[in-house]
Amino acid sequence: EVQLLESGGGLIQPGGSLRLSCTASGFTFSSHAMSWVRQAPGKGLEWVSGIRDNGYSTSYADSVKGRFTLSRDNSKNTLFLQINNLRAEDSAVYYCAKGLGVQTYNELDYWGQGTLVTVSS
Amino acid sequence: QSVLTQPPSVSAAPGQKVTISCSGGSCNIDKNLVSWYQQFPGTAPRLLIYDNIKRPSGIPDRFSGSKSGTSATLDITGLQTGDEADYYCGAWDSCLGLVVFGGGTKLTVL
Repeated sequence: EVQLLESGGGLIQPGGSLRLSCTASGFTFSSHAMSWVRQAPGKGLEWVSGIRDNGYSTSYADSVKGRFTLSRDNSKNTLFLQINNLRAEDSAVYYCAKGLGVQTYNELDYWGQGTLVTVSS
Repeated sequence: QSVLTQPPSVSAAPGQKVTISCSGGSCNIDKNLVSWYQQFPGTAPRLLIYDNIKRPSGIPDRFSGSKSGTSATLDITGLQTGDEADYYCGAWDSCLGLVVFGGGTKLTVL
């Protein structure tokens, strides 16, 4: 059974930093691209970032470019999202999601339960 | 303002058919594969359709997708009250170099 377990969310002050983690199981992690998608309260889905299977290629939404860094450790089946210089508009539930293929960022067949990030002073 | 445009809401009676549209452009839907997601309140999205028309295992054939040019469509037939949810379309945008989603459509089964 595929499982994605996010952690690392919480209440953080504007300008602060956070590292989200997503631990995967039930599939060959190193053979799939992974993405983070966020959803602000009462809003729609916003794709944040994606990383291909080998970790050598990443893509970011313009709204997070330069502040967010996506990485993965295939030996530990874990995905990381380093978030710096947090802003109020970054407040959202952050979902980790599995891509269908090695470089598939937009076709996400399994999602974690999400971790809530709240940016407030 | 989402790159992909969906109607905010649609409704139909149980047993009927509903169509949810997703309008994009030459950089996204026209050139790339479309996926559709279903999301119930307080839960993570679920993949309904990928590669424009394919269903993952476990998704009933009441759900079907299609694409023509810069638009895609999700059809749901034999509507059930349990289908009440938010539905999102998504695609890779080759010009922007990122994934774009529609704003979401809330389905009400009357």
